Amino acid sequence: DAKTTQPPSMDCAEGRAANLPCNHSTISGNEYVYWYRQIHSQGPQYIIHGLKNNETNEMASLIITEDRKSSTLILPHATLRDTAVYYCIVRVDNAGNMLTFGGGTRLMVKP
Amino acid sequence: NAGVMQNPRHLVRRRGQEARLRCSPMKGHSHVYWYRQLPEEGLKFMVYLQKENIIDESGMPKERFSAEFPKEGPSILRIQQVVRGDSAAYFCASSQGAHTYEQYFGPGTRLTVT
Repeated sequence: DAKTTQPPSMDCAEGRAANLPCNHSTISGNEYVYWYRQIHSQGPQYIIHGLKNNETNEMASLIITEDRKSSTLILPHATLRDTAVYYCIVRVDNAGNMLTFGGGTRLMVKP
Repeated sequence: NAGVMQNPRHLVRRRGQEARLRCSPMKGHSHVYWYRQLPEEGLKFMVYLQKENIIDESGMPKERFSAEFPKEGPSILRIQQVVRGDSAAYFCASSQGAHTYEQYFGPGTRLTVT
């Protein structure tokens, strides 16, 4: 699986959009971009994933650049409960592939 | 639809004892994954199982650790003769397989070895 690079930490004001970047310059054509988050020692929570098109669900939006070398996770209106470590993971999309967690980005949402 | 369930949530064992961690996947999910998170570290994959089969155990320590996912009942991660270095949070995840591959995690079991 391709490696990812994320900033170690970010701050965001409550109510504002949080934009979390991820670089994955060695991504292969059959690898998807997945985002998970871990809120203070809880189990990781699936957020969203995509291949090349932008994706949106009730939690977030995922913007993938045209060359697929980077992506941005957008939390449109961050709340204090969004404070967590956010992990960007690239993997081939089949059931047998484990998730390889890097260091992630520690997002601190401040009032 | 209940999520992934793990029990116990907290487990304390003395050195040399056995630890048994249980994971019930989400309804309809037949793929189970175990991950370990050591204190102040990231999650590391341990083992991937389907019903009655171990598919990938490349992340499992070679000794003392074993996993199963029987036809009936939860998946079990067993650690024999625990040592202090086994103290960690153990997370189980499940996926539906077939057409949807995102993994959903349980709340974890925090093992403390005294």
